[in-house]
Amino acid sequence: RKEVEQDPGPFNVPEGATVAFNCTYSNSASQSFFWYRQDCRKEPKLLMSVYSSGNEDGRFTAQLNRASQYISLLIRDSKLSDSATYLCVVNLGNQFYFGTGTSLTVIP
Amino acid sequence: DAGVIQSPRHEVTEMGQEVTLRCKPISGHDYLFWYRQTMMRGLELLIYFNNNVPIDDSGMPEDRFSAKMPNASFSTLKIQPSEPRDSAVYFCASRGQGHREQYFGPGTRLTVT
Repeated sequence: RKEVEQDPGPFNVPEGATVAFNCTYSNSASQSFFWYRQDCRKEPKLLMSVYSSGNEDGRFTAQLNRASQYISLLIRDSKLSDSATYLCVVNLGNQFYFGTGTSLTVIP
Repeated sequence: DAGVIQSPRHEVTEMGQEVTLRCKPISGHDYLFWYRQTMMRGLELLIYFNNNVPIDDSGMPEDRFSAKMPNASFSTLKIQPSEPRDSAVYFCASRGQGHREQYFGPGTRLTVT
């Protein structure tokens, strides 16, 4: 079983739409959680950390449900520039486990 | 800060040749990670170092792969001999002690023909 599972998509949404991505992880001892963004042919870059209480950064909201071992990312008012692959990342000790990513395309 | 630096950015080689990938972490970061990314398998951790010491190399696919970190500012990942199935993007990332996020280099796109 993979450490981190994500729906690969693709998600194709119109500008201005709200879109949500989900991710599950297998190890209940996992300590830290992140969403990374990866543009085509570029390196992954940290989008935001995910805290137990949930956290928001502008149009982006991340949620963590430890009981269900589930992480989510909500993007409101989608922009064309949001088109990318979003990677769910789980940290256990010094190991970082990456999901395979969810592809998002925002359509004009 | 220049960020994590990797070279070469692209490498095309023939099966059986030796390939050496290079990485310079962010100054002051004491963790260094080597990853491989393919469409099929996503991003996989190959090995990571702490203070230049290899801590976990369980992700290294086989003996053809080796990694070194002779000092705090330089690491290499070597494949000898290379095979077509090694074709992938290889990323190096670094992290500072007490920090949670990793910073990735631009990657090396390796094609083995």
